[in-house]
Amino acid sequence: AQSVTQLDSQVPVFEEAPVELRCNYSSSVSVYLFWYVQYPNQGLQLLLKYLSGSTLVKGINGFEAEFNKSQTSFHLRKPSVHISDTAEYFCAVTLGINAGGTSYGKLTFGQGTILTVHP
Amino acid sequence: DGGITQSPKYLFRKEGQNVTLSCEQNLNHDAMYWYRQDPGQGLRLIYYSQIVNDFQKGDIAEGYSVSREKKESFPLTVTSAQKNPTAFYLCASRRTAEGGSPLHFGNGTRLTVT
Repeated sequence: AQSVTQLDSQVPVFEEAPVELRCNYSSSVSVYLFWYVQYPNQGLQLLLKYLSGSTLVKGINGFEAEFNKSQTSFHLRKPSVHISDTAEYFCAVTLGINAGGTSYGKLTFGQGTILTVHP
Repeated sequence: DGGITQSPKYLFRKEGQNVTLSCEQNLNHDAMYWYRQDPGQGLRLIYYSQIVNDFQKGDIAEGYSVSREKKESFPLTVTSAQKNPTAFYLCASRRTAEGGSPLHFGNGTRLTVT
């Protein structure tokens, strides 16, 4: 079974500073990886996803993430954050199509990282 | 615009009462999911449905029930058997149940049971 660990529960940063939100996963087979963002009292919105191919994935709102198979990581980065990036961010993993198939593509979520951008 | 509608946004119930949360999607997605969100615990899967008239238990199904009589609708009933029902409930759908297909989420229902 796969699992996800988000290494920081809260990350405070100042506006225009760079930020990295860390995510490590555990799986013995190939995986698909996702980052979602949640604004207060709303649902989750997809930021970006890694299915295959280039290990550097670009998403919406200037975010990007790098898939590192050897370190089983999928850290999320943004070179310059804005006040409006304040939200909770979730990393999620599911088994890849070459993993022998999965009954329903179960998505396992990390516990979330609250990013707070200060002026 | 296509999307997922959850209603109501806020719901209050007395302990011992069953309550049904609505989830409707007009994205023509085959698969639908219910998640429960508690602070600091991420999202936990309650039930999912890959196709109409079929559904499966997720990781925390005890005290919950669902139905999938129409492709567009996947209501969740929180029964009196659920020991700690107060939480934020999120409904999601995806085009297929295959793992690479991303989830689309509704805006959630916050249930408070006293």
